[in-house]
Amino acid sequence: AQKITQTQPGMFVQEKEAVTLDCTYDTSDQSYGLFWYKQPSSGEMIFLIYQGSYDEQNATEGRYSLNFQKARKSANLVISASQLGDSAMYFCAMREGYRIGNQFYFGTGTSLTVIP
Amino acid sequence: GAVVSQHPSRVICKSGTSVKIECRSLDFQATTMFWYRQFPKKSLMLMATSNEGSKATYEQGVEKDKFLINHASLTLSTLTVTSAHPEDSSFYICSASEDRNNQPQHFGDGTRLSIL
Repeated sequence: AQKITQTQPGMFVQEKEAVTLDCTYDTSDQSYGLFWYKQPSSGEMIFLIYQGSYDEQNATEGRYSLNFQKARKSANLVISASQLGDSAMYFCAMREGYRIGNQFYFGTGTSLTVIP
Repeated sequence: GAVVSQHPSRVICKSGTSVKIECRSLDFQATTMFWYRQFPKKSLMLMATSNEGSKATYEQGVEKDKFLINHASLTLSTLTVTSAHPEDSSFYICSASEDRNNQPQHFGDGTRLSIL
């Protein structure tokens, strides 16, 4: 089974609107971390936001927020007030456990296009 | 914030050449670093986990004699693509995280390798 599932290969959003990118995960661990990354066409991977499995509050970082629904095993990324510079690939990732050497599992990504 | 530097950013070379890619954590120590390969419009594929002072752990299907990894210090890991062929052409990207719990992976800017 896939550890991370992103079901939206491509999304479009009007500039200044909010958009939600879906991510579901599969793990039997109680301790895990969820991460979102942005990859512009230039290729670098930019860390956006983190949610720990024991965090009771949804994580927020500026215009990014993570809608964490533990029972549903979903960790959707919400981008508010979209900007043209938000056009990029977005990857959801999970690390099981907190051990530093544990690998990250990545989803297949969602390509977001912001329309002026 | 934590910075990972990857060099070179782009390599074009002839078939049969060996190519070395460096991954450095600039302002933190990293016991573990990860090497990924990414095909166009695809997700990151983990190739190997690089462990400081010990042998790398390779993912299934990745030839360890083809992709040599050395992690000789807490701030430097290298990936050498030996006797490169056109099918090795790809985007290679490394990541590292600070040796503390709950830290995200920070990525280098990637290396675009083109084998002629």
